[in-house]
Amino acid sequence: QSVLTQPPSVSGAPGQRVTISCTGSSSNIGAGYDVHWYQQLPGTAPKLLIYGNSNRPSGVPDRFSGSKSGTSASLAITGLQAEDEADYYCQSYDSSLKGVFGGGTKLTVL
Amino acid sequence: QVQLVQSGAEVKKPGASVKVSCKASGYTFTSYYMHWVRQAPGQGLEWMGIINPSGGSTSYAQKFQGRVTMTRDTSTSTVYMELSSLRSEDTAVYYCARAPGGGSGNTIYYMDVWGKGTTVTVSS
Repeated sequence: QSVLTQPPSVSGAPGQRVTISCTGSSSNIGAGYDVHWYQQLPGTAPKLLIYGNSNRPSGVPDRFSGSKSGTSASLAITGLQAEDEADYYCQSYDSSLKGVFGGGTKLTVL
Repeated sequence: QVQLVQSGAEVKKPGASVKVSCKASGYTFTSYYMHWVRQAPGQGLEWMGIINPSGGSTSYAQKFQGRVTMTRDTSTSTVYMELSSLRSEDTAVYYCARAPGGGSGNTIYYMDVWGKGTTVTVSS
């Protein structure tokens, strides 16, 4: 049971827009701590995708965007491409548990 | 370029210990905290702890307290993670991952560069 809750899977056709939610509580996201997102392609290490709720590291396409409100956060991917098929994880800080991750969401490009 | 090179795969028996290394290059080693994260087969990511390579201070996830030890060697820019009393549930890929620089407190609790991972298999 992960501290941050994500849907196990989402899917979309090429060119479409998908969103992945990440729900926390008053001890993590709701306490004002930042949310970060990682992309993990099959068989590889995770890669930082979004940091500080909505910031993209250099090299990450602007098709990826993040937002946060209350105890939840979202990752949006527009103009879906086949290469976006991966697992996506949200992550934050928890006042008791410190580093916490979501359970991960598998994105399938139809 | 920034690189984290981890040690090779390990196979251990239940009850044994494993020590994984992570050698950093391409940046000032002592200026960036380092996290350890693990991923069991087919499962999600799990945060294990963080070390400050400058002073060696650590903070561990409650789940691993008493079983994990994170250390560093500034002369070789290497951090280590040792996990003891291994059980089959510890079979996983273990990643070192750098925290962003210039922050403190909760702002360092994310990872901007990752190693490729070290597979640890615990089996009798």
